[in-house]
Amino acid sequence: SQELEQSPQSLIVQEGKNLTINCTSSKTLYGLYWYKQKYGEGLIFLMMLQKGGEEKSHEKITAKLDEKKQQSSLHITASQPSHAGIYLCGADKGSGYALNFGKGTSLLVTP
Amino acid sequence: NAGVMQNPRHLVRRRGQEARLRCSPMKGHSHVYWYRQLPEEGLKFMVYLQKENIIDESGMPKERFSAEFPKEGPSILRIQQVVRGDSAAYYCASSPISTYEQYFGPGTRLTVT
Repeated sequence: SQELEQSPQSLIVQEGKNLTINCTSSKTLYGLYWYKQKYGEGLIFLMMLQKGGEEKSHEKITAKLDEKKQQSSLHITASQPSHAGIYLCGADKGSGYALNFGKGTSLLVTP
Repeated sequence: NAGVMQNPRHLVRRRGQEARLRCSPMKGHSHVYWYRQLPEEGLKFMVYLQKENIIDESGMPKERFSAEFPKEGPSILRIQQVVRGDSAAYYCASSPISTYEQYFGPGTRLTVT
């Protein structure tokens, strides 16, 4: 089965600093999905990447999928307290809906 | 527009009892997905339902677990004769069409004692 490894497991950054979260798949990805979870709440969809080399941005968050489609990175520029939460990468086997996620990266942004 | 609602948020059951988890999708959403997060693991897909139909249950354990999404009312994930290994967080998501862009509820944390 496909496994997703996220690193780091947790991250504490000072407000205004940049950070990167990585997601590595054991198999070639059909689609890679980034979600964010605020503590005690449900997951919120951020972005979806499908093509090798693809890069998408939303506000100060940029996600990339490498050419071999086995690794993705999520980069946050000038972090803010509102960025705090758990970031999860997810993948499916081509169904387009049956997602399986990594364990998540917990991000804390300090003033 | 209320989000996806799940209840209860916390559920404690003794071994051998039944657990019923409820999920009310967002208004206008007819597609429901259930996920499970075991301790120290990521969320894993269990089942995908549309109104009165199970579309994909490939991630659901073959025994003791069942799911339904009736014409009226919430979607129900039912676990019969719970065991300690069923202790997990169960998340429900919904969408207006079959898609990866799903709206998740806050989850139900099941503890089996």
